[in-house]
Amino acid sequence: GENVEQHPSTLSVQEGDSAVIKCTYSDSASNYFPWYKQELGKRPQLIIDIRSNVGEKKDQRIAVTLNKTAKHFSLHITETQPEDSAVYFCAAPRGYALNFGKGTSLLVTP
Amino acid sequence: EAQVTQNPRYLITVTGKKLTVTCSQNMNHEYMSWYRQDPGLGLRQIYYSMNVEVTDKGDVPEGYKVSRKEKRNFPLILESPSPNQTSLYFCASSHQWDTQYFGPGTRLTVL
Repeated sequence: GENVEQHPSTLSVQEGDSAVIKCTYSDSASNYFPWYKQELGKRPQLIIDIRSNVGEKKDQRIAVTLNKTAKHFSLHITETQPEDSAVYFCAAPRGYALNFGKGTSLLVTP
Repeated sequence: EAQVTQNPRYLITVTGKKLTVTCSQNMNHEYMSWYRQDPGLGLRQIYYSMNVEVTDKGDVPEGYKVSRKEKRNFPLILESPSPNQTSLYFCASSHQWDTQYFGPGTRLTVL
């Protein structure tokens, strides 16, 4: 069943602004939280992930933060560019599987 | 090149005609999985396999079958496809279950 909620479902920002997407999960034992990017007509691709022993992870313009107490994690994209336009999915474990959020469609306008 | 492949990439079929979508990976991954993607519903897991001869149901297994006779292959079988199985299907593989690598997708239309 669903244990991951993702917000917002759509997000429009101007080039250069920051974008934040948030996910909440229900299983307090969850220990791995990936983010996938899916461009139009393409497969989902992992862009960043975080494990529960750290609170934040950065990779250039992308960062993920984790709040285990509140059971939520967020994707932060800074200095957005038009090529960041895509659908982003978060996921959280459910046993030996991943439950995905319903996705956020990000549009970066020049 | 490390990859996950699926075939066919596109398929149009009719209700009740059995079909198989193949999935193969060359990364020696133990874990493989099938998802379907529908607008507004995200990625939903159909079946997964932890290793050869070990499979388990995901969230939406009804109407699907899988088998894992070899480590590299994980075919998805629709014995009697129905229009509500029209969807975009993704196969994925992983060393364990966490970091999953997706295939290119198979767009299936059932008339």
